[in-house]
Amino acid sequence: GAGVSQSPSNKVTEKGKDVELRCDPISGHTALYWYRQRLGQGLEFLIYFQGNSAPDKSGLPSDRFSAERTGESVSTLTIQRTQQEDSAVYLCASSFLAPGPGGETQYFGPGTRLLVL
Amino acid sequence: SQQGEEDPQALSIQEGENATMNCSYKTSINNLQWYRQNSGRGLVHLILIRSNEREKHSGRLRVTLDTSKKSSSLLITASRAADTASYFCAAGPNQAGTALIFGKGTTLSVSS
Repeated sequence: GAGVSQSPSNKVTEKGKDVELRCDPISGHTALYWYRQRLGQGLEFLIYFQGNSAPDKSGLPSDRFSAERTGESVSTLTIQRTQQEDSAVYLCASSFLAPGPGGETQYFGPGTRLLVL
Repeated sequence: SQQGEEDPQALSIQEGENATMNCSYKTSINNLQWYRQNSGRGLVHLILIRSNEREKHSGRLRVTLDTSKKSSSLLITASRAADTASYFCAAGPNQAGTALIFGKGTTLSVSS
């Protein structure tokens, strides 16, 4: 597609339920990133993929969070047993260049707004 | 924390005025990027400046970089109401395999 797409746009769930967020990167982009942004806050790095591998999982807040990427394309971010503090916008981005000195430009999707009641 | 800091956190100006936002970072960088975000949705890349550059222009945007002070500034000239958004700097580390480090952002409000 022309840009990064994410689904769903909005998700309301009950505390304790699992949610799955999807990201479709720009075709041909090797790197894919997930961020979390709480209301009025900056971006919190969660994880990135180079191809289907995740070299840096350091940002995942807890073991309730996991992510995978298949076919060097679509990625899913799963949050198990959601808590109210998980409420945020989850942003996905992709880049043609790998992270590093090359200077990757990240292209962002519109985000998924998650509300945990 | 490696996260950068933008200054000010919020800025309110009138249309036609210039807006200056500053960014400080902690890591050794290869490049510094600025992004814009409207209404809490996806970020849009504005401009990239390399560590061996001191100033770069793009339309009404002017970015400066001082690697000795680990700081950058974004100047928007002749601001418009449509420039109202949050602006984030992102430091590109020198290390391969290390992703951009985003700052906390400056919220700019331009009133007509």
